[in-house]
Amino acid sequence: DIQMTQSPSSLSASVGDRVTITCQASQDISNFLNWYQQKPGKAPRLLIYDASNLETGVPSRFSGSGSGTDFTFTISSLQPEDIATYSCQHYDNLPPYTFGQGTKLEIK
Amino acid sequence: QEQLVESGGGVVQPGRSLRLSCAASGFTFSSYGMHWVRQAPGKGLEWVALIWYDGTKKYYADSVKGRFTISRDNSKNTLYLQMNSLRAEDTALYYCSRARVLKGGFDPWGQGTLVTVSS
Repeated sequence: DIQMTQSPSSLSASVGDRVTITCQASQDISNFLNWYQQKPGKAPRLLIYDASNLETGVPSRFSGSGSGTDFTFTISSLQPEDIATYSCQHYDNLPPYTFGQGTKLEIK
Repeated sequence: QEQLVESGGGVVQPGRSLRLSCAASGFTFSSYGMHWVRQAPGKGLEWVALIWYDGTKKYYADSVKGRFTISRDNSKNTLYLQMNSLRAEDTALYYCSRARVLKGGFDPWGQGTLVTVSS
């Protein structure tokens, strides 16, 4: 099975900062990588699909890039409402669909 | 709007069974594969099971294979997860979510139903 290694596990940043989270796959997964946001007490929300495609309605300060084994999720200018846990997910034709361990983002 | 609502969670003793339901509305349920995903308290997300749109194929995480069964009733727009031989490590918030066609990602998600396995 493919393993997803996400880092960092937690991150503290100031409003307006550029924030970057990385996700590494244990083998080549092409662009089959999604990013989710989960606020406390809420269900996950899909932000980025297929590594770099912004889901409808998601603010443009969120972006994703990468292919193969190395992927990056970026918030260009952190806003207070972005406080959440962010998780990557491998998604291919066949399961299992592994999630990364998650990155808890806090405001400094 | 597209909506998923889970139910059936609760407190159950180890070794017992529980069946979760997920009611779908706002979209053509019979056209989509469906997933169960769980999240243990304070932990990350774990994919549990997938069922194809027509129920002909089912896939499971190794951690639940042989104990959990995913099923669906397209006439009732409802997804199920039958959980047998429950263990303490199955304690989690269980979400249902829709597979997407021609693009990645799970969307939408339900609000989750909590399963607690404890004696």
